[in-house]
Amino acid sequence: EDKVVQSPLSLVVHEGDTVTLNCSYEVTNFRSLLWYKQEKKAPTFLFMLTSSGIEKKSGRLSSILDKKELSSILNITATQTGDSAIYLCAANNFNKFYFGSGTKLNVKP
Amino acid sequence: EAGVTQSPTHLIKTRGQQATLRCSPISGHTSVYWYQQALGLGLQFLLWYDEGEERNRGNFPPRFSGRQFPNYSSELNVNALELEDSALYLCASSPDAGVQETQYFGPGTRLLVL
Repeated sequence: EDKVVQSPLSLVVHEGDTVTLNCSYEVTNFRSLLWYKQEKKAPTFLFMLTSSGIEKKSGRLSSILDKKELSSILNITATQTGDSAIYLCAANNFNKFYFGSGTKLNVKP
Repeated sequence: EAGVTQSPTHLIKTRGQQATLRCSPISGHTSVYWYQQALGLGLQFLLWYDEGEERNRGNFPPRFSGRQFPNYSSELNVNALELEDSALYLCASSPDAGVQETQYFGPGTRLLVL
């Protein structure tokens, strides 16, 4: 059965900390892995990863895909309270997107 | 460029009623996806439409159905509502079925079944 698993389920850190969120997938005909940030309602797109070992960066956020380990990580450095959200990862094949249950990040001042 | 829009933002129904949710994709996008996000759970895939056709559906009963119109907007219908149908329903669009690289989400419709 195709699935995506994220860990940890929730995380509480203080501003300035660095966090690493994990995503593992078992998806037939895997094409790409995507990360989203969900604050109130609509998830907003962060990264799309298709090649193993190539880091994508956007400001304090970065992500990398390991196709051998069927996993991806999302790093956030120097966290801010505005980073508090649910972070979702999704694996895509030719048929659909499989979402993990998300990691709820709470950044305290 | 306008994003994905959904209506209504909130919907309150009672058990047994029918609910209709609407979604307009980003201009130029032909693929529309529907997801259910129940409280505390991740996104559960419901339906995928492209070019007016249903391409795939998730593990939901037949009372969850929908359609896509010629202008690529879409409707999700939920018949015989049950209490556990209460959830946030998210619609997403992507450029076309062959380029399923990213999805852009709408703000969602929060359905409450009493």
